Amino acid sequence: NAGVTQTPKFRILKIGQSMTLQCAQDMNHNYMYWYRQDPGMGLKLIYYSVGAGITDKGEVPNGYNVSRSTTEDFPLRLELAAPSQTSVYFCASSRQGDGYTFGSGTRLTVV
Amino acid sequence: AQTVTQSQPEMSVQEAETVTLSCTYDTSESDYYLFWYKQPPSRQMILVIRQEAYKQQNATENRFSVNFQKAAKSFSLKISDSQLGDAAMYFCAPPLKGAQKLVFGQGTRLTINP
Repeated sequence: NAGVTQTPKFRILKIGQSMTLQCAQDMNHNYMYWYRQDPGMGLKLIYYSVGAGITDKGEVPNGYNVSRSTTEDFPLRLELAAPSQTSVYFCASSRQGDGYTFGSGTRLTVV
Repeated sequence: AQTVTQSQPEMSVQEAETVTLSCTYDTSESDYYLFWYKQPPSRQMILVIRQEAYKQQNATENRFSVNFQKAAKSFSLKISDSQLGDAAMYFCAPPLKGAQKLVFGQGTRLTINP
């Protein structure tokens, strides 16, 4: 049982480049989330999804896009990377009322 | 605005003693769930305990328990018989607007002294 799988684990981007962070879950959870964690801080919600085909913005959506074509996958797209997007990114999934199951995170550095 | 406050950036406790981490929050939701998560140096986020807001009984998971005061919007975590493996960042997570989305506090770094 893999849970929530995030790839890659580490990535260095140059300013202006784009990339997609992958997230997949095998628990048939309806809810999926993307958070970012800056050094010494808590997690901030970027985007979330309540089911396939439905996404909505969280607290800090600027500079990111998401899609949810299947229940299992919830990729996060960074367009025109900026140094302010240097962070650790967490994907998570859940059922209604349950706690989140988190992926292991992606450490992204934009230089 | 949805806010959560963990007023203790750092705490330390002797092994085998008890420690309480505090959390206050603001939400407009009436029926919701609250959580405490642990983040060890591996950075993996681990669920510690879950509380249902409509239940008056405080949740307990082995050595971990909460003191939930709904009217005061307070949700503290008590760790009994502290162990070296409890050393981590602890995050309180009440709901963001919309009960299923969580907002995370800034965390409390817990150190266990042998």
